Amino acid sequence: SQELEQSPQSLIVQEGKNLTINCTSSKTLYGLYWYKQKYGEGLIFLMMLQKGGEEKSHEKITAKLDEKKQQSSLHITASQPSHAGIYLCGADYSGGSNYKLTFGKGTLLTVNP
Amino acid sequence: SAVISQKPSRDICQRGTSLTIQCQVDSQVTMMFWYRQQPGQSLTLIATANQGSEATYESGFVIDKFPISRPNLTFSTLTVSNMSPEDSSIYLCSVAPKGGTEAFFGQGTRLTVV
Repeated sequence: SQELEQSPQSLIVQEGKNLTINCTSSKTLYGLYWYKQKYGEGLIFLMMLQKGGEEKSHEKITAKLDEKKQQSSLHITASQPSHAGIYLCGADYSGGSNYKLTFGKGTLLTVNP
Repeated sequence: SAVISQKPSRDICQRGTSLTIQCQVDSQVTMMFWYRQQPGQSLTLIATANQGSEATYESGFVIDKFPISRPNLTFSTLTVSNMSPEDSSIYLCSVAPKGGTEAFFGQGTRLTVV
């Protein structure tokens, strides 16, 4: 089974609606990264969470890491067509200054105008 | 942050040939990695590119198929050797800047093997 499960696999929302994407790990995380990928392109770094209970925000995107450091959620408020893309969570299971990441399968977000 | 230039951005290659992908960073970085993203799949780590020594490969990846060079702290290459259609993927370079806490990615190389 996957070490890192993302849900949902895909999501279609109307512009202006809020949405949440979840990332659940089968083991404790040293760090959790969120990226956005436009189809067939590279990854854009969104946020990185390390501490249990940590929450970070960037513009209309907020990410949280739960206290047990095994689950993270990404919340988009008042979604816009520019938010469309694939959202990937990446787990650092090694700690230290490793930066080797294990990725979930991604969530494809479509925002309809 | 780090600005990463990856070349080529895309290529269509004949089976049996090899392609070398370049990753250039605008600053010295501690760690450089190469990932593969097969169609419809997530990213899988191929190897860690070590400066001045042989790359460290993940399970399922070997040096003969994916030779990697890292001559200095800002540059690395990945070669996909003796290509087959199964090698059609996006290949991404990732870096961790010195003193930083984030891992950044290049724009990727979209490879199609025919």
